[in-house]
Amino acid sequence: GAVVSQHPSWVICKSGTSVKIECRSLDFQATTMFWYRQFPKQSLMLMATSNEGSKATYEQGVEKDKFLINHASLTLSTLTVTSAHPEDSSFYICSARDGGGYNEQFFGPGTRLTVL
Amino acid sequence: GQNIDQPTEMTATEGAIVQINCTYQTSGFNGLFWYQQHAGEAPTFLSYNVLDGLEEKGRFSSFLSRSKGYSYLLLKELQMKDSASYLCACMDSNYQLIWGAGTKLIIKP
Repeated sequence: GAVVSQHPSWVICKSGTSVKIECRSLDFQATTMFWYRQFPKQSLMLMATSNEGSKATYEQGVEKDKFLINHASLTLSTLTVTSAHPEDSSFYICSARDGGGYNEQFFGPGTRLTVL
Repeated sequence: GQNIDQPTEMTATEGAIVQINCTYQTSGFNGLFWYQQHAGEAPTFLSYNVLDGLEEKGRFSSFLSRSKGYSYLLLKELQMKDSASYLCACMDSNYQLIWGAGTKLIIKP
């Protein structure tokens, strides 16, 4: 099956710093990638849809200047949390859609961000 | 509006069968997915239905009725490792996934 990697798996940073999370599709090309956030005991919340070569589409209430998304190639999308604060602490998960098959999304393992 | 409903939590016994229901209302429909998510991990794909009927895959089966806006995930011969959250998601006319809140399944010995 399709494999999506995510790096780093977990990160602890100080308030005010920026954190970059990478999402890679390892064995397929993903024209579309998705970034989700999940707080404890809650469901997935879509933050933005990332399309290769174009600007990301952000969901309502998600600050695009705070959560910078770059989808520079068909296998890589990055999410940068700028000037992170403790309330940004969460589990960030990316997924990539394989254009064939069922259009299902394959998820990366997630990145647990803790902002002190 | 778009809405996915599924029970918050269910409990079942090891070796038994459990059915997790999902009802949906979406703008257009391009299929329904079931994902499994263990605590602290990312979701993993279980099944996809786009036509009415039952799709069987080992111990897991998924059913869809488009006219009723209804699906269920059936898990047979439950094992302790099946304890997880099960997420129902519909793909709308824009091929965006609309997620349910998930059903936490607790398996007891």
